[in-house]
Amino acid sequence: DTEVTQTPKHLVMGMTNKKSLKCEQHMGHRAMYWYKQKAKKPPELMFVYSYEKLSINESVPSRFSPECPNSSLLNLHLHALQPEDSALYLCASSPRTPGQGTSYEQYFGPGTRLTVT
Amino acid sequence: AQTVTQSQPEMSVQEAETVTLSCTYDTSESDYYLFWYKQPPSRQMILVIRQEAYKQQNATENRFSVNFQKAAKSFSLKISDSQLGDAAMYFCAYRSVGGTASKLTFGTGTRLQVTL
Repeated sequence: DTEVTQTPKHLVMGMTNKKSLKCEQHMGHRAMYWYKQKAKKPPELMFVYSYEKLSINESVPSRFSPECPNSSLLNLHLHALQPEDSALYLCASSPRTPGQGTSYEQYFGPGTRLTVT
Repeated sequence: AQTVTQSQPEMSVQEAETVTLSCTYDTSESDYYLFWYKQPPSRQMILVIRQEAYKQQNATENRFSVNFQKAAKSFSLKISDSQLGDAAMYFCAYRSVGGTASKLTFGTGTRLQVTL
């Protein structure tokens, strides 16, 4: 099973709402990632979790709050977003070491299309 | 810091023909991984092919192959016998070796159109 799932597929929220994006993988990967992707641009890394601990935060505004409750789940909590935060949010995971997987490739989920009104 | 450059914003190929997408990168590291990802309009990023820098042999996956020139820091993707389903945005990506979680550095992408 080389699948990363993300819910919801689409989300429309107002600037005062609180919502969460969810990502799940059952490949035993111990690194999980959140990316933001604007139209016709490459993904931009937001956060990296390694062994359920936050290891990289790419200076993301505090209105985005990541959470890794266990090794299979990754959440992104959203609060007081701005219209410019509208984008595709991608989750990915990767194996711990080459011994655990074939190499360091990241497996991506289908993304959540977020629209902030 | 590493950088990845894709100099072709758009490419077009006829069905059944061959097309090559260019990618160059800049790094001071001697060992690393390179990837090509495909993102169709359905938006999921799909790994097409990977190359370990320490391997001299070019990677091949069915109709997809790479031309890896380490000294020139070049990593082009060749798609043979192009199919309509190959139409997508293609991203070249670089990753350092080591560590559990390391960043992928992406190029700006090449949009590939496949025509009948």
